Amino acid sequence: GAVVSQHPSRVICKSGTSVKIECRSLDFQATTMFWYRQFPKKSLMLMATSNEGSKATYEQGVEKDKFLINHASLTLSTLTVTSAHPEDSSFYICSARRPGRDYEQYFGPGTRLTVT
Amino acid sequence: GQNIDQPTEMTATEGAIVQINCTYQTSGFNGLFWYQQHAGEAPTFLSYNVLDGLEEKGRFSSFLSRSKGYSYLLLKELQMKDSASYLCAVMDSNYQLIWGAGTKLIIKP
Repeated sequence: GAVVSQHPSRVICKSGTSVKIECRSLDFQATTMFWYRQFPKKSLMLMATSNEGSKATYEQGVEKDKFLINHASLTLSTLTVTSAHPEDSSFYICSARRPGRDYEQYFGPGTRLTVT
Repeated sequence: GQNIDQPTEMTATEGAIVQINCTYQTSGFNGLFWYQQHAGEAPTFLSYNVLDGLEEKGRFSSFLSRSKGYSYLLLKELQMKDSASYLCAVMDSNYQLIWGAGTKLIIKP
């Protein structure tokens, strides 16, 4: 099956610093990747849709300047949380869509971000 | 608006059967998914239904009625490792997943 990786799996950073999370599709080229955020005991919240070679599409209420998304290649998308604050602490999950198979999304293992 | 409803929490006994229901109202429909999520981990795919009826896959089955906007996930011969959250998600007309809040399933010995 398809594999999507995320790095790092856990990160602790100080308030005011920036953190970059990588999402890679390991065995297929993903033209579309998705970034989700999940609070404890809550469902996944779509933050943005990342399309290779173009700007990401952000969901309503998600700050573009705070959550920078770059889909630089067909196998890599990055999410940078800029000037992180404790309220940004969350579980961030990416998923990748296989081209031509719109109904399939493969999830990465997630990144636990803690901002102190 | 778009809405996915599923129970918050359910409890069942090891070896028994449990049915987790999901009702939905979305703009467009391109299939309904069930995912399993253990605490601190990403969701893993369980099933996909796009036509009415029952899809069986081992101990897990998923049912869909599009006219009723209703689905259920049936888990048989429950094992302790089935303790997890089960997420219902519908793919809308834009091929985006709309997620339910998840059902936490607690299995007791």
